Amino acid sequence: EVQLVESGGGLVQPGGSLRLSCAASGFTFSNFWMTWVRQAPGEGLEWVANINLDGSERSYLDSVKGRFTISRDNAKNSLYLHMSSLRAVDSAVYHCAIGWGWYEHWGQGTRVTVSS
Amino acid sequence: DIQMTQSPSSLSASVGDRVTITCRASQDISNFLAWYQQKPGKVPKVLIYTASTLQSGVPSRFSGSGSGTDFSLTISSLQPEDVATYYCQKYNSDPRTFGQGTKVEI
Repeated sequence: EVQLVESGGGLVQPGGSLRLSCAASGFTFSNFWMTWVRQAPGEGLEWVANINLDGSERSYLDSVKGRFTISRDNAKNSLYLHMSSLRAVDSAVYHCAIGWGWYEHWGQGTRVTVSS
Repeated sequence: DIQMTQSPSSLSASVGDRVTITCRASQDISNFLAWYQQKPGKVPKVLIYTASTLQSGVPSRFSGSGSGTDFSLTISSLQPEDVATYYCQKYNSDPRTFGQGTKVEI
């Protein structure tokens, strides 16, 4: 069974940093592109970043470029999102998802709240 | 960046009604489009990919059509369990933008 379990969310002050993790199991992690998608409270889905199989290609939403870094460790079956210079508008539930195109499997998400 | 615009933003229909949601891309995305269903408190579930391919396990009352810039998701006979918010998403290029969502109520 495919499982994606996010962790690392929490309350952080504006300008602060967090590192989110996504632990993957039930599939060959190194064979799949991975993605982060976020959803602010009461809002829609927003694609944040994706990463290719070996981490050599990464893409980002314009509003997070230079502040967020997506990475992966295939040996640990883990995906990461390092977030810095956090802003209130970054407050959301962050989901990891499998895939290059459409996303068949999603984690339940980890909540990030940016507030003083 | 390519923008994805869904309409309507919400709708109310009766059980058994045919419901159509549209999604328009600001540039040609060929058929690189997916549709998702998100029920309250749940993660999104993919319904359709490549604009018209039904994901395994999804009821046949859901269908997708379109290519280029104009797409639609149709529920042929609305059921109570279809109450949800529906999103389109383009994936021909980055960013993989989602539409703003359509809330379907009964």
